Formats: sequence, structure tokens, C-alpha cells
Amino acid sequence: DTEVTQTPKHLVMGMTNKKSLKCEQHMGHRAMYWYKQKAKKPPELMFVYSYEKLSINESVPSRFSPECPNSSLLNLHLHALQPEDSALYLCASRGTGVEKLFFGSGTQLSVL
Amino acid sequence: GQQVMQIPQYQHVQEGEDFTTYCNSSTTLSNIQWYKQRPGGHPVFLIQLVKSGEVKKQKRLTFQFGEAKKNSSLHITATQTTDVGTYFCAGIKAAGNKLTFGGGTRVLVKP
Repeated sequence: DTEVTQTPKHLVMGMTNKKSLKCEQHMGHRAMYWYKQKAKKPPELMFVYSYEKLSINESVPSRFSPECPNSSLLNLHLHALQPEDSALYLCASRGTGVEKLFFGSGTQLSVL
Repeated sequence: GQQVMQIPQYQHVQEGEDFTTYCNSSTTLSNIQWYKQRPGGHPVFLIQLVKSGEVKKQKRLTFQFGEAKKNSSLHITATQTTDVGTYFCAGIKAAGNKLTFGGGTRVLVKP
């Protein structure tokens, strides 16, 4: 299994809603990432988890709250988002001693 | 902070022609990676370059890492319609642990 699975694929939410994005991998990777990608722009790093501990937070607003319940799962909890937060949210994982990232297919988020 | 720039932003190529996209970093990199993102898709890893001056080939794709480890290039020969997509370089700063993506080169192929 060389896949990173993200759900849901599409999400529409209002500014007062609370929702969660989910990411799962079964490759035994111990580093997991959240990236945000706006249309026609490169992925921008949001968070990095290493061995289930948050190791990098790129000054992301607190309305985005990451969680890594175990080595296979990564969540991104969303609350009180703004329309400008609409984007493709990509999860990625990386194996130990390996640099390349495996990306999931992303969640296309629209905030109304 | 570290910046990774790519040129050109857009590349319109006639099918069968060659083209090159360039990647430049403001800092020395420990390694550089290339990813391809098809329209509506997600980035997919193509290759990693680690050594100064390294050249790697994958069929019609040739990747090069500069001697100073601050720039890289991707050359595609005999472009096909399957080459359509955005090609990103991504670098890790020497003694760093964060992968920074360049702005990407969006490739359109004219049949």
C-alpha cells in the first residue's frame, strides 16, 4: 500500500461551521504534513508531525488545529474559517531516512 | 527566509519539441526534488538530486543539479501530451528540514 488517503475529497462549509479533514497512510511513515495550495500556486507548508509530535507550525492561524492520533492518522480540525481559506488541502507523508513526499489527492475546501 | 524560484511560469510547447524549466534557490540546498502535478491532481514525486553537478535521466526527462547546489533544471525532449501539468522543484536548505516549493512551471502542449 503506497497511498495516502484523504477524506472528504470536497467540502463546503460556512464560516461558523466546525469540520475536520482526515488523512491516513499505512506505509509506516513517521512524518506527516499538511499543505495548503491555492489555484495556480505551489503547496505551502502548514504543519509537520514527526513521530506523532508537532514539529513545525508555520505560523498558521488557530482556526486550523492539527491532530495526530496515531502514526497512521492525521487530522486537521477547522473552525470559524474565512472565505480566503478556500483552497486544496494536501496531506503528505515521508518515510524515515527518505526525503520524498507521498501526497494524498487532497480535500478541495470552499468556505462560504 | 529561503526562496525557491522557477522560470518560466508558463511554457507552451509544440508536441515533439524540447523545453527546459529552471529552478533557483536563494540558499545552498542539501538536495532538490522535482514533482509533477497534473491538472486537478496532486503533486507526484519524480526525482531527487543530492550531489553537486548530479545529472539523472528518466526516459525523456533529464534533471540536473548545479555545481553550487543552488540551482537545478529539468529538460524534456520530444514533448508529448502526457507531459501536460505543473512541474515543481522543491528544495531542502542545507542543515534544514523543511521542503520549500518553487512557484512551478505550468506546461501546456499544443498537438
